[in-house]
Amino acid sequence: DTEVTQTPKHLVMGMTNKKSLKCEQHMGHRAMYWYKQKAKKPPELMFVYSYEKLSINESVPSRFSPECPNSSLLNLHLHALQPEDSALYLCASSQEVRTGELFFGEGSRLTVL
Amino acid sequence: RKEVEQDPGPFNVPEGATVAFNCTYSNSASQSFFWYRQDCRKEPKLLMSVYSSGNEDGRFTAQLNRASQYISLLIRDSKLSDSATYLCVVTMDSNYQLIWGAGTKLIIKP
Repeated sequence: DTEVTQTPKHLVMGMTNKKSLKCEQHMGHRAMYWYKQKAKKPPELMFVYSYEKLSINESVPSRFSPECPNSSLLNLHLHALQPEDSALYLCASSQEVRTGELFFGEGSRLTVL
Repeated sequence: RKEVEQDPGPFNVPEGATVAFNCTYSNSASQSFFWYRQDCRKEPKLLMSVYSSGNEDGRFTAQLNRASQYISLLIRDSKLSDSATYLCVVTMDSNYQLIWGAGTKLIIKP
């Protein structure tokens, strides 16, 4: 069982909808991440939070808006998405940034119609 | 040239056989190395870290060759449950950067 929990597991939304993806970890990790993964491709980094502060934004379009309410929670707010944004969105955590030992949630599979 | 390269496979291997695959990296400043496995439509899971001295965990052995800039993963006595995509990850200490290979697909056949 994964110790990083993501909800919802599946999400279908229209291009005008606003939705949020949620992620929670209780391992005391200080770094949390959002990744996007398309079929047959490796995960692609979107955002990194370190000690609840955004430390990396990989030039992600503003229709994706991350939020870290506290050290255990990470949200990804979605607005005006495009069909090409359909993908598996993975949350991960690690003890600190600068480590390659990440723990992933099961992901939220997003379909944009 | 990609920063981290893997043979995409698939590697079709009979159950019980030994299989090995490599991952090459282009930046000699790379510091840390990892293998992840990802089952179909699931999340990646850390399989093992790769130390300079190598690392063994049961049937799995990871090696680092800095001179030739590659890491390897050896799986002995392969099981059906080893079927997955194996992704290598390389990091640099100079900045936070986690570079993922595209993965090698392994299929273990009965």
